[in-house]
Amino acid sequence: AQKITQTQPGMFVQEKEAVTLDCTYDTSDQSYGLFWYKQPSSGEMIFLIYQGSYDEQNATEGRYSLNFQKARKSANLVISASQLGDSAMYFCAMREGDRGSTLGRLYFGRGTQLTVWP
Amino acid sequence: EPEVTQTPSHQVTQMGQEVILRCVPISNHLYFYWYRQILGQKVEFLVSFYNNEISEKSEIFDDQFSVERPDGSNFTLKIRSTKLEDSAMYFCASKRTDTEAFFGQGTRLTVV
Repeated sequence: AQKITQTQPGMFVQEKEAVTLDCTYDTSDQSYGLFWYKQPSSGEMIFLIYQGSYDEQNATEGRYSLNFQKARKSANLVISASQLGDSAMYFCAMREGDRGSTLGRLYFGRGTQLTVWP
Repeated sequence: EPEVTQTPSHQVTQMGQEVILRCVPISNHLYFYWYRQILGQKVEFLVSFYNNEISEKSEIFDDQFSVERPDGSNFTLKIRSTKLEDSAMYFCASKRTDTEAFFGQGTRLTVV
């Protein structure tokens, strides 16, 4: 089974609108972390936001928020007030185990290509 | 702001040649990783490295691959005999115990 599933290959949003990018995950671990990364056309991977499995509050970082629904195993990214510069590929990822684990590999989804239009 | 630095940004090599991809992790980070991304596909884990040894590797990381931290600052990925299917973007990442992984800007490897 896929550890991370992103069902939206592409999303379109108008500038200044909010958009939600979907992510579901699969793990039997009690302790895990969920991440979103942005990959612009230049190729680098930019860390956006992190949610720990024991965090009771949804994570927020500026215009990014993570809608964490543990029972549904979903970790959707919400981008508010979209900007043209938000156009990029967005990857959801998961780390199984504690934050300080010596393992700490990330499992990535296939990504969602977000296009923001004026 | 400290960052993970990878060199070169783009490498073209002939099939069968050895290639070394270089990374300088963030200086106080302890955990190091290599990932790859074949064009248009998802990012895949290759190997993790901690305390001067491999802590985990994926099925992709076969005997053709090796990693090294030769001098306490660089972290290298060597591919001994490149194949066409090794063409991909290779990302190095590093983290401390209490941080998340920070990625370098990637090295695009093209095997011809």
